[in-house]
Amino acid sequence: KQEVTQIPAALSVPEGENLVLNCSFTDSAIYNLQWFRQDPGKGLTSLLLIQSSQREQTSGRLNASLDKSSGRSTLYIAASQPGDSATYLCAVRRNYGQNFVFGPGTRLSVLP
Amino acid sequence: GAVVSQHPSWVICKSGTSVKIECRSLDFQATTMFWYRQFPKQSLMLMATSNEGSKATYEQGVEKDKFLINHASLTLSTLTVTSAHPEDSSFYICSARGGTSGRREVEQFFGPGTRLTVL
Repeated sequence: KQEVTQIPAALSVPEGENLVLNCSFTDSAIYNLQWFRQDPGKGLTSLLLIQSSQREQTSGRLNASLDKSSGRSTLYIAASQPGDSATYLCAVRRNYGQNFVFGPGTRLSVLP
Repeated sequence: GAVVSQHPSWVICKSGTSVKIECRSLDFQATTMFWYRQFPKQSLMLMATSNEGSKATYEQGVEKDKFLINHASLTLSTLTVTSAHPEDSSFYICSARGGTSGRREVEQFFGPGTRLTVL
């Protein structure tokens, strides 16, 4: 059974810092991995999707890497801003027909 | 990107009543829709998966007679919480995935969620 963990559970940083969020999964046989952002009381916003054949994806100040063999992904946020404050979730999918398994999330607070 | 909407965004009801939540894919045909539940400070937990025109598949521990799911069209799925109790109070999120090639086949798109409070 796939299990997804995220470290740290919570993170508070001053504005402008670069930071790394970690995601680990127990079964390396995945179809893809996706990073999401969730604001309090809101739904999910997709940030980056990495297919199993890819090593990384970039969008603006965000960069996500995938090391499938070791069961790890990192989300790198450059020059953090207060607007980045949210919970960041990673989720993996075993194959096309299956659903995501979500990690517990990392709650990020960027202080002005 | 693709848009998935949910209605209502929040609902308060009395214990014992039924509540229906709608999930719509606005700009694509969703062959598969997923319903999740999220308790405070916890991650999303899948409740059920529904394919258009067929019965939903429920995750272990989710009562299919209590959480009725209907996916009658390629753009609409509904979740009905029957005889709701305070412990059903939660944040319900739907997700949709298309069946044609391209981005909509690969990604799942999530709705904004519905906050259910049962008094």
